[in-house]
Amino acid sequence: DIQMTQSPSLLSASVGDRVTLSCKASQNIYKYLNWYQQKLGEAPKLLIYYTNSLQTGIPSRFSGSGSGTDYTLTISSLQPEDVATYFCQQYNSWPTFGAGTKLELK
Amino acid sequence: EVQLVETGGGLVQPGRSLKLSCVASGFTFSSYWMYWIRQAPGKGLEWVSSINTDGGSTYYPDSVKGRFTISRDNAENTVYLQMNSLRSEDTATYYCAKDLYTYYGSLFDYWGQGVMVTVSS
Repeated sequence: DIQMTQSPSLLSASVGDRVTLSCKASQNIYKYLNWYQQKLGEAPKLLIYYTNSLQTGIPSRFSGSGSGTDYTLTISSLQPEDVATYFCQQYNSWPTFGAGTKLELK
Repeated sequence: EVQLVETGGGLVQPGRSLKLSCVASGFTFSSYWMYWIRQAPGKGLEWVSSINTDGGSTYYPDSVKGRFTISRDNAENTVYLQMNSLRSEDTATYYCAKDLYTYYGSLFDYWGQGVMVTVSS
């Protein structure tokens, strides 16, 4: 199985900050990487697929990048409604998820 | 509007069985792969099973292989998860999800609200 490691596990930031979340795969996943947002008590929501494709209806302040084993989700200007846990997921092989990064307001 | 509604969760004793259902609407159900994904309390996400469009191909991780069975009824727009020989470590919220594409991708673009399964004596 491909292991996905997210960092940090907890991130505190202020409204308007540029925020960067990291995800590292245990082997090359050839950009087959998705990002999900999960707010408290809700199901996950697909934000970004295939590393950098923005899912329909997702604000443009979210963006993704990366290649090989290292991937990043960036929020260009943090908004209060972005408080959530973010998971990365690889689909180069059977799908596996990272443990998540919890994003809170400072 | 795409909707996925799971039912069938509850409290079950170790070793017993439970069957989850997920009714889909708002899209051509028979054209999409479907999945079950679970989340233990306070934990991350784990893929549990996949089924292709006609139900002829199914896939599982080792953690549930031989105990769980995914199936679908395209006439009823429903996907099922039969869970046998349940263990305490199966305790989780179970989500059904559809693929973004009309072929195998494991990109989960819509999720149900989830159903809780608690395995305890």
